[in-house]
Amino acid sequence: DQQVKQNSPSLSVQEGRISILNCDYTNSMFDYFLWYKKYPAEGPTFLISISSIKDKNEDGRFTVFLNKSAKHLSLHIVPSQPGDSAVYFCAASDTGTASKLTFGTGTRLQVTL
Amino acid sequence: DTEVTQTPKHLVMGMTNKKSLKCEQHMGHRAMYWYKQKAKKPPELMFVYSYEKLSINESVPSRFSPECPNSSLLNLHLHALQPEDSALYLCASSQGWGRGKYTDTQYFGPGTRLTVL
Repeated sequence: DQQVKQNSPSLSVQEGRISILNCDYTNSMFDYFLWYKKYPAEGPTFLISISSIKDKNEDGRFTVFLNKSAKHLSLHIVPSQPGDSAVYFCAASDTGTASKLTFGTGTRLQVTL
Repeated sequence: DTEVTQTPKHLVMGMTNKKSLKCEQHMGHRAMYWYKQKAKKPPELMFVYSYEKLSINESVPSRFSPECPNSSLLNLHLHALQPEDSALYLCASSQGWGRGKYTDTQYFGPGTRLTVL
């Protein structure tokens, strides 16, 4: 049972444009959400997070939006840069019960020149 | 500083070997994790240590044996592995329990690429 889903396995965006990566979840107990960026053969790098008490969090070029009623979150990267090309994982946790992240399947972002 | 270090970077072992993976963090985090990641898949949780005690074991085979000697170190002892255990093994740490909640921003190390022959 995939509790966190990223339905787009890949995304191609032109440099300077906005990249929008989407993530859906099914577990209503999840209350903390994170985005990680991963290059091949490296560990995931934390990008940005959002608590369920908020609907938006911004850090530089990265903004995460949370729609609790739709159980949907998205990561916006603007402007996109070639160095943003990587696999992006969303992850979710229920902070009240266990220190455990559930990851989505990942979206490969390619930023083209 | 959000650095988690892992050694070795690469490891090749036979099915009868015994080896260990090591992980270290100096961020004062009290929760540490082992994940396994196969190609084109998300990381899968194996073990969680909270305040140096094993709190989660995701039904991992006994040929994987975790150890947390102190709050900064986490080991994963490997014995009699199978070729299908070849993967990227990731260590992560987080602050752990605080203000009645697990503050779960996990920071990952670079991983150990394990190949079992």
